[in-house]
Amino acid sequence: GENVGLHLPTLSVQEGDNSIINCAYSNSASDYFIWYKQESGKGPQFIIDIRSNMDKRQGQRVTVLLNKTVKHLSLQIAATQPGDSAVYFCAESNNNDMRFGAGTRLTVKP
Amino acid sequence: ETGVTQTPRHLVMGMTNKKSLKCEQHLGHNAMYWYKQSAKKPLELMFVYNFKEQTENNSVPSRFSPECPNSSHLFLHLHTLQPEDSALYLCASSLNPSGGLADTQYFGPGTRLTVL
Repeated sequence: GENVGLHLPTLSVQEGDNSIINCAYSNSASDYFIWYKQESGKGPQFIIDIRSNMDKRQGQRVTVLLNKTVKHLSLQIAATQPGDSAVYFCAESNNNDMRFGAGTRLTVKP
Repeated sequence: ETGVTQTPRHLVMGMTNKKSLKCEQHLGHNAMYWYKQSAKKPLELMFVYNFKEQTENNSVPSRFSPECPNSSHLFLHLHTLQPEDSALYLCASSLNPSGGLADTQYFGPGTRLTVL
């Protein structure tokens, strides 16, 4: 079956380093992708999105890369800060379906 | 704050109780969603309402009953739940101009439900 998943369930980085969180998807009909951040005790928070007609999109300290050839999505966080510690998960969607990954826990060490 | 509020934030109920979860969005969005989030599992979409009309019901047991009286309010009525229904229940909304699911959703803080 088709699924959305994350390669690593946990990621630990040093403060100030860059972080890369990966996501694999297999539904070739997906045309809209989102990254969410979820801190403990809170709901998911939108970080950045990208549509299938793009392969890169940048926000403030975050970049999302989309590789449709291998159906891979990544979130890059520059100069990771302690406040970035959270669970990050991707979502893929088209007009008829939306699926979420299980999440990767990012821990930032001081 | 995302503009989506949920009450209560925590709820403990017995299997014979009836309770309701409430969600309100202050974003002028047209679509609202209920999700279930269990530990170490992906978010599970339960219900979708678009312009107050239910457009998705992902095989959710009838002990969960949604209600959407207007585009700003969404309820989830709970009746004779099971312990395995214990989870974080999240509400979300989106502008959804085309009526499809490919739109940014903004989530509330969730209701932590425990069924004894």
